[in-house]
Parts: sequence; C-alpha cells; structure tokens
Amino acid sequence: EPEVTQTPSHQVTQMGQEVILRCVPISNHLYFYWYRQILGQKVEFLVSFYNNEISEKSEIFDDQFSVERPDGSNFTLKIRSTKLEDSAMYFCASNRRLGEKLFFGSGTQLSVL
Amino acid sequence: DQQVKQNSPSLSVQEGRISILNCDYTNSMFDYFLWYKKYPAEGPTFLISISSIKDKNEDGRFTVFLNKSAKHLSLHIVPSQPGDSAVYFCAASAQSGGSNYKLTFGKGTLLTVNP
Repeated sequence: EPEVTQTPSHQVTQMGQEVILRCVPISNHLYFYWYRQILGQKVEFLVSFYNNEISEKSEIFDDQFSVERPDGSNFTLKIRSTKLEDSAMYFCASNRRLGEKLFFGSGTQLSVL
Repeated sequence: DQQVKQNSPSLSVQEGRISILNCDYTNSMFDYFLWYKKYPAEGPTFLISISSIKDKNEDGRFTVFLNKSAKHLSLHIVPSQPGDSAVYFCAASAQSGGSNYKLTFGKGTLLTVNP
C-alpha cells in the first residue's frame, strides 16, 4: 500500500537554528498538510497546501514557518528560527481529493534544545 | 479551545468484549467525523468515518454512531482484540460552509485490550 514517508524520524536542534522537515506524499495525491502533536496534547493542524500555494493555515503557522513543494515529489516544512516550544512530533499528510481521508506519515520528532 | 473532546484518556477492556470510545464536539459547523488509530512511533491511521447525514456507519468490527442533537459520537469495537490496543483519536471537519481542509482532533483515548 502506498504511504507517506517522512525524514528524518528524529531531529535535534539548538534554539534559533533553522530546520527543514521533509515529506514525500503519496504520488497521486494533490492536497498536502502538516500537523503537529506536542507531547501529551492533541494533534493540531498547521497548514494545508494545494496547487503550489497555501490553502489554509492555523494561528500556530506564523512567519517562522514556511512550506514548499520544491519538485514533483517532496513537500517540506521549514522553521526559520526554532523555539523551545516548537518541540513536537510533526506529521505530514496527504489526500487525493478534498474531504477524503488523510494518509499520515509516521512523523518527525523535533527536539529543540 | 477544545472543539473536539475525548474525556476518557484511557480505557481498558477484556479481549472479546466491546470497547466503546466516546467523543463530544462543540462546533455545530462540523459535518464530517473520523476516527483514527495510532500506534507508538507511527502516524495516525484512518479507521472509519461518518457524515452528518447518517447516524451510523459500520465496517467489520468497527461501528461509529453519531448523535447530532447531543453533538456526540462513539466508536464501538466488537469483539475487541489485543491488536486493537492503541490511541484512538476522534477528528472532525466542516466540509460545507466551513473549512474542509483541516481536521480538528481530540486528545485521544488510550485503549488497552487485555488477553
């Protein structure tokens, strides 16, 4: 079964550093998403992306965050200057059509020290 | 702002018995509801969904019930199996007239099925 893949599985960084989290969505999917889960809290929506632009973003997704689809397969989340509170599990997801179930990757655990 | 609430952080049941996981929501714009299952070190996996035009949807051992007037849904697993042990997330979206791009998740319920 096709799956969403995320790399790396773990990322440790110093506060203030830039990080890029990478995702390869399922190949025929058109809608891409980032969610995150801070330890002990709920999974939270960050951003959705379609047709090479952001379609919706949450309050969490401020100017420090950006997303990009640099080629036909990768979908990246960049955090420009990480803060301690950015430590979380970041999940990439995709679906083929709006309203269809999301397929999630296994996540990148980001630790900001 | 907890628009989707799962008030039971954990649930323990015996193998073969029924597991009932509950979820409440506050946003009346939500019209599509999903349950996801999550094992440690994996991403959430879709389990079953229900549209607000229905009050029940069944898929094998899994049934989701929706009570719109009470803004409540539940997931029934019968019979429960040890492999069902995981965190179960309730999620909702507003597909018509609202945002159909994002899912709003509950905090999850850890289900443990004992052999």
